[in-house]
Amino acid sequence: QKEVEQNSGPLSVPEGAIASLNCTYSDRGSQSFFWYRQYSGKSPELIMFIYSNGDKEDGRFTAQLNKASQYVSLLIRDSQPSDSATYLCAVYLDSSYKLIFGSGTRLLVRP
Amino acid sequence: DTGVSQDPRHKITKRGQNVTFRCDPISEHNRLYWYRQTLGQGPEFLTYFQNEAQLEKSRLLSDRFSAERPKGSFSTLEIQRTEQGDSAMYLCASRSGGGETQYFGPGTRLLVL
Repeated sequence: QKEVEQNSGPLSVPEGAIASLNCTYSDRGSQSFFWYRQYSGKSPELIMFIYSNGDKEDGRFTAQLNKASQYVSLLIRDSQPSDSATYLCAVYLDSSYKLIFGSGTRLLVRP
Repeated sequence: DTGVSQDPRHKITKRGQNVTFRCDPISEHNRLYWYRQTLGQGPEFLTYFQNEAQLEKSRLLSDRFSAERPKGSFSTLEIQRTEQGDSAMYLCASRSGGGETQYFGPGTRLLVL
């Protein structure tokens, strides 16, 4: 079992819809949880991080964390074609703060 | 632009050659990380520096790979006797001591022919 699992997609949503991206992790010792966006050929760009159970909102993005279920999600409201990218979920496992990434979910927003 | 720079951005080499990549982190960041990303996968951790000390190396980092951060500022990653399987994007990230977030550089894309 991989430490961080994501559905590879693609997830296709129409412009203006809510896109819901999901991630599960296996290690209950996981600490902070991150969502990065990566456009093709580019490096990962941080969207937001969360470390407490519940929701965290930043503009059109909401991260949700449920440590009991070992589940973290990212909601993108009012999806735009420019949101089309691969979304990477990552966790910190230990004191080195190295990031453990999932394989990413590809999101396509149809105009 | 996150403030982390990497050089070169692209490198094409022949199998068996040595290559070296450089990463310049955000100036006040004392933590520096190297990752490798292949097509369709998320980045995989390679190694980690706190100041000039290399504190952790992944088992992915074979003996052909070596990384340094001699003065606690920029870092280099060298691959000796490159193999086709080394073809990947090599990413550098930095983090401040009290910060949660790692900021990634633009990456160096390596192609081994």
